[in-house]
Amino acid sequence: DSGVTQTPKHLITATGQRVTLRCSPRSGDLSVYWYQQSLDQGLQFLIQYYNGEERAKGNILERFSAQQFPDLHSELNLSSLELGDSALYFCASTPAGGYNEQFFGPGTRLTVL
Amino acid sequence: LAKTTQPISMDSYEGQEVNITCSHNNIATNDYITWYQQFPSQGPRFIIQGYKTKVTNEVASLFIPADRKSSTLSLPRVSLSDTAVYYCLVAPGYSSASKIIFGSGTRLSIRP
Repeated sequence: DSGVTQTPKHLITATGQRVTLRCSPRSGDLSVYWYQQSLDQGLQFLIQYYNGEERAKGNILERFSAQQFPDLHSELNLSSLELGDSALYFCASTPAGGYNEQFFGPGTRLTVL
Repeated sequence: LAKTTQPISMDSYEGQEVNITCSHNNIATNDYITWYQQFPSQGPRFIIQGYKTKVTNEVASLFIPADRKSSTLSLPRVSLSDTAVYYCLVAPGYSSASKIIFGSGTRLSIRP
């Protein structure tokens, strides 16, 4: 158990819909990272937040957005969903801005039908 | 960030030592080398990190030659439970990154 929690574990929705994925980092960790992993693909970095502010951006679509709240939990919002958005979405956290030793959550499996 | 190249897959047997090599020819002076392990449908798990020479912990060793253009993750006496995907990352240590690249990793299969 990494100490990072993600909800929900599974999510099934339809094209065009909007969903919100939630992540709670390890206690005391200030940085949160979001990744997308499609079937048999590597992890694609989406976005990083540090203490409530966006720190780095990766291959995140404009239909996706994220935020980190004062209690440091983070939400990833996915809108206008397409079939290709079906994937595992992982959240990770680190104590500070540095990223090398990230602690990953169990992931949310999103299925868009 | 430095691009990494790893074998797509490797096979071995229980009890053997497994070495997975990662090439990173354009590694920068402030880059660290980090390895992660991922089981199916689980988040990656940090294994080991190094900057130069050799690093060893309770699960693996990391060998980095003087030119740092490659690194080798060594797993001693593997078991079936070591079957997983292994990712090599090269990036600055304690700084934000504009892009974090896990790559495709190496799919390691351990047989009885």
